[in-house]
Amino acid sequence: AIQLTQSPSSLSASVGDRVTITCRASQGISNILGWYQQKPGKAPKLLIYAAFNLESGVPSRFSGSGSGTDFTLTISSLQPEDFATYYCQQVNSFPVTFGGGTKVEIK
Amino acid sequence: EVHLVESGGALVQPGGSLRLSCAASGFTFSDHYIDWVRQVPGKGLEWLGRTRNKAKSYTTEYAASVKDRFTISRDNSKNSVYLQMNSLEVEDTAVYYCVRVPTSGSKSYYFDYWGQGTPVTVSS
Repeated sequence: AIQLTQSPSSLSASVGDRVTITCRASQGISNILGWYQQKPGKAPKLLIYAAFNLESGVPSRFSGSGSGTDFTLTISSLQPEDFATYYCQQVNSFPVTFGGGTKVEIK
Repeated sequence: EVHLVESGGALVQPGGSLRLSCAASGFTFSDHYIDWVRQVPGKGLEWLGRTRNKAKSYTTEYAASVKDRFTISRDNSKNSVYLQMNSLEVEDTAVYYCVRVPTSGSKSYYFDYWGQGTPVTVSS
């Protein structure tokens, strides 16, 4: 199974900060990676697919990049509604796997 | 509007069985894969399995951790997918989500819609 390692596992940031979360795959997955946001008590929500494509309705302050084994989710200017846990996901091969998550907290 | 609604979560004893349901609406059900994902409280996401669409003869895939215990089926006349869980263990305690998986376009195979989840507790 392809393992996805996210870092950091948690971070504290202020409104307006630029935030970067990384996801490293245990083997190359081309650009077949998605990012999800999950708020407490809610289901995850797709943010980005195929490494850099923004899901409809997702604010443009979110962006994704990377290919192969190293990927990045960037929030250009953190907003109050962005405090949540973020997961990367690979759908390149079975089993589908997720990263361990990055919790973004208020500083 | 796309909706996925899970039901059937309950408290069950170790070794017991449970069947979860996922009722779908707002899209052409037979065109889409439907997957199941679970989340242990306070922990990450674990993919459990998939039922493919009509074009792929509704074939299934499973995670190794549940392959011999869990079975996914679908009733296309009811736009519903089921997760039959047998020989339940304490470690199966989690919130269970069904998700829609598109199979066309650049968003193929990502999880674009999620249900609200149904909690399963395995405890004596």
